[in-house]
Amino acid sequence: DGGITQSPKYLFRKEGQNVTLSCEQNLNHDAMYWYRQDPGQGLRLIYYSQIVNDFQKGDIAEGYSVSREKKESFPLTVTSAQKNPTAFYLCASSMFQRDQPQHFGDGTRLSIL
Amino acid sequence: DAKTTQPTSMDCAEGRAANLPCNHSTISGNEYVYWYRQIHSQGPQYIIHGLKNNETNEMASLIITEDRKSSTLILPHATLRDTAVYYCIVSNTNAGKSTFGDGTTLTVKP
Repeated sequence: DGGITQSPKYLFRKEGQNVTLSCEQNLNHDAMYWYRQDPGQGLRLIYYSQIVNDFQKGDIAEGYSVSREKKESFPLTVTSAQKNPTAFYLCASSMFQRDQPQHFGDGTRLSIL
Repeated sequence: DAKTTQPTSMDCAEGRAANLPCNHSTISGNEYVYWYRQIHSQGPQYIIHGLKNNETNEMASLIITEDRKSSTLILPHATLRDTAVYYCIVSNTNAGKSTFGDGTTLTVKP
């Protein structure tokens, strides 16, 4: 089935460590997105990419990095510079047309040990 | 992208229609209205979207006012499984980013 796969579902990080969250899609979508969600709140955009080898900062990019080497993959690295990384992280993708909705993965929940 | 305003929470009786409002008074002419819902600890699920005309699919109906400054999502016969947070966003997808607010928590009661 076509869809978006995020892994792992749960992730634990020690203080000072970088961690990478995986996002893969087989929908042949051009654009991919990373959001952060804190308890009881909406989604905030971290980074997005409209084409391979190009990406833009969203509203809360500090302490995060991404790459887009392949159309299917958009990994997110939470660096040690992100002082409050505990959150629910959601990846989405869409076609690069103005009326196309985003399709979301099931998320990764990151916690600090 | 235009900002949206939604009520924080709403209740609905099972089997009745749920009408969820959204204000988007600063929407621009090329922006679509999208509705998503999120069940606890899952990724948001796309429901419906529209530009000017009212839209209907197997999940819901979307009513957009003539001036496009507000819209209403209608779930015609709400079930307990429709209990979720509903997000209204306005976006021109190929402009890049979309902005999600805090949404409306809909609770369907038996």
